This record gives sequence, structure tokens and C-alpha cells, in this order.
Amino acid sequence: EAQVTQNPRYLITVTGKKLTVTCSQNMNHEYMSWYRQDPGLGLRQIYYSMNVEVTDKGDVPEGYKVSRKEKRNFPLILESPSPNQTSLYFCASRPFRDRDEKLFFGSGTQLSVL
Amino acid sequence: GNSVTQMEGPVTLSEEAFLTINCTYTATGYPSLFWYVQYPGEGLQLLLKATKADDKGSNKGFEATYRKETTSFHLEKGSVQVSDSAVYFCALSRGSARQLTFGSGTQLTVLP
Repeated sequence: EAQVTQNPRYLITVTGKKLTVTCSQNMNHEYMSWYRQDPGLGLRQIYYSMNVEVTDKGDVPEGYKVSRKEKRNFPLILESPSPNQTSLYFCASRPFRDRDEKLFFGSGTQLSVL
Repeated sequence: GNSVTQMEGPVTLSEEAFLTINCTYTATGYPSLFWYVQYPGEGLQLLLKATKADDKGSNKGFEATYRKETTSFHLEKGSVQVSDSAVYFCALSRGSARQLTFGSGTQLTVLP
């Protein structure tokens, strides 16, 4: 089954404790992206990647890191999480040259930073 | 810059009622326009899209028409069902990499 898999689904952590949210897709997509969803603000893009070893900042990259060492994986790293990073996070992917521009989304990771 | 403004929610309707969710946009160039839907506990799914002026996107009884003169892409459905209860996001694509800019989302609840 074609899918984008995020882990964990729920995460509670404390300020300053490094964490990684994993994202993997099995559709051989070049393009992958991370978003955060906050009430009243919709989805805002954190980082995106157009292919292996190619990453770029989105609209709200501060406090986050990403890497793209393999085509299927695009982990999101919070080196020193803070309470304002409490949010619902989504990973998404699509073929880079997909004229339909349809994004496939994971089921989300609810992060709480205390 | 590019932005999407959606009708404030939440919206509550009775089954078989007519639905309109307003969406207007600000963009340079000629963006593609989208509606995504998020069912409870799930990620977003593409509902419909339109790539140029006067195009109409449609899917599952939902429709939206790309209106360049009013910079709008309102979502409509003639008769909603309980299963349509979800959050609806309007979005536009921008730039050479076709990044998506999302609106703030509109929560729809349909009562039996």
C-alpha cells in the first residue's frame, strides 16, 4: 500500500531534550516536506526537500533541522525543543514533476513540549 | 506575498443542507488552487484542484471554480452528509517548486 509513515504518533517531552520524528514513504517520491498545524494558522511549511541531499527552508524553519540521506526518509530533528514547538506535525511527499501536484500526507505526530 | 484567506469556522449544518466555504487568495503569477480535506485523526487528502482561470474542480459531489476576477475558489456541495464532517483547507501553489500555501482551515460538522 502506498503510504507516508510517521513515527511516533504522539510524543510528550521536556524542554531541551533532543528528539527526532521519522518520516518514510514507499512511493519513490523525490519531493518531501514537513508542516506544522496550529489552530487558526492552518499548515505552515517547515522544511522541504526536492531530492536526496537537497533540502531548503520553508516558512517557519527556526528551531528545526532535517536531513535527506535516502530518498525514502526525511526525519525532522528538534535539537532543543521549546514549548512553542508544541504542535501537530505532518510529513508529505509527491513526485517532483507531478503535474497534479497532489501531496500524500502522513497521519501526523502530536508533539507536546513541557 | 502569497496568501489564502478562508471563511472562519466552525460551520455546523444539517444533513442534506447546501454548503459553501469561502476562499480568496492573493498571489503573483498564476497559481494552481486546491481544496484538501482532513478527516478526524488523519492526514490531509486532496479533494479537488483547478489549474487555470474558469477551471472547475470537482470530486465526491464537491465543486469549486477558479475565479481570477474575484481571486476566489469557493467550495460548494449541494447536499452534505454526516460523513463530510471534517476540516477543509484551501491552498495555492507557488514558485518553481510549486510549494503549497494553506489557509487556516474550516471545521465542518454535519448533524443527522
